[in-house]
Amino acid sequence: DAGVIQSPRHEVTEMGQEVTLRCKPISGHDYLFWYRQTMMRGLELLIYFNNNVPIDDSGMPEDRFSAKMPNASFSTLKIQPSEPRDSAVYFCASSFTSGQGGSGNTIYFGEGSWLTVV
Amino acid sequence: GENVEQHPSTLSVQEGDSAVIKCTYSDSASNYFPWYKQELGKGPQLIIDIRSNVGEKKDQRIAVTLNKTAKHFSLHITETQPEDSAVYFCAASRRGGGSYIPTFGRGTSLIVHP
Repeated sequence: DAGVIQSPRHEVTEMGQEVTLRCKPISGHDYLFWYRQTMMRGLELLIYFNNNVPIDDSGMPEDRFSAKMPNASFSTLKIQPSEPRDSAVYFCASSFTSGQGGSGNTIYFGEGSWLTVV
Repeated sequence: GENVEQHPSTLSVQEGDSAVIKCTYSDSASNYFPWYKQELGKGPQLIIDIRSNVGEKKDQRIAVTLNKTAKHFSLHITETQPEDSAVYFCAASRRGGGSYIPTFGRGTSLIVHP
């Protein structure tokens, strides 16, 4: 299994530009998560999807952030316009539903997209 | 919502010593507690987890303990090795729509000196 695949791995962009981060979850997984990691705030859940439907986007910092999941194998996180304070590592992760009495879901993380906004 | 506190933020030990990382959580409805290890330049990976109906779980040199009454849980690593050096995250989860949605602690940077 290739695991969760994210692109780009690294991006440096100028303030005001649009940034699009991409994610391919593990095949068969029905949950997809977007996290942001910074030294100041640690790992923050931005949004998660179940069966391609956004369930909770309360972690999205502001309207400049948007996420889509057009199908089960692809998701994007877009920042428009980008600002220096958006500089962080953005992780995509996926998991699958465990049945009743299951052991809980393992969330599998991608390698992250390292974003720097200058 | 859930709040997870993790201590210490950094931990430095000599190879062969034990390391203990402690977490507290606030939501009594949380019932699943995974621990993740993040190596430099990589995403976090699950190393061990524990459910609320279990007080302790071991996997080779790693063990987790859970005290539901006090709402705290701990990660114990024995006979530490340099390759244990990483950032460790605890998390507390509640079942939501079939999946466990974790709230993560701030992380502990473990350094094992050879």
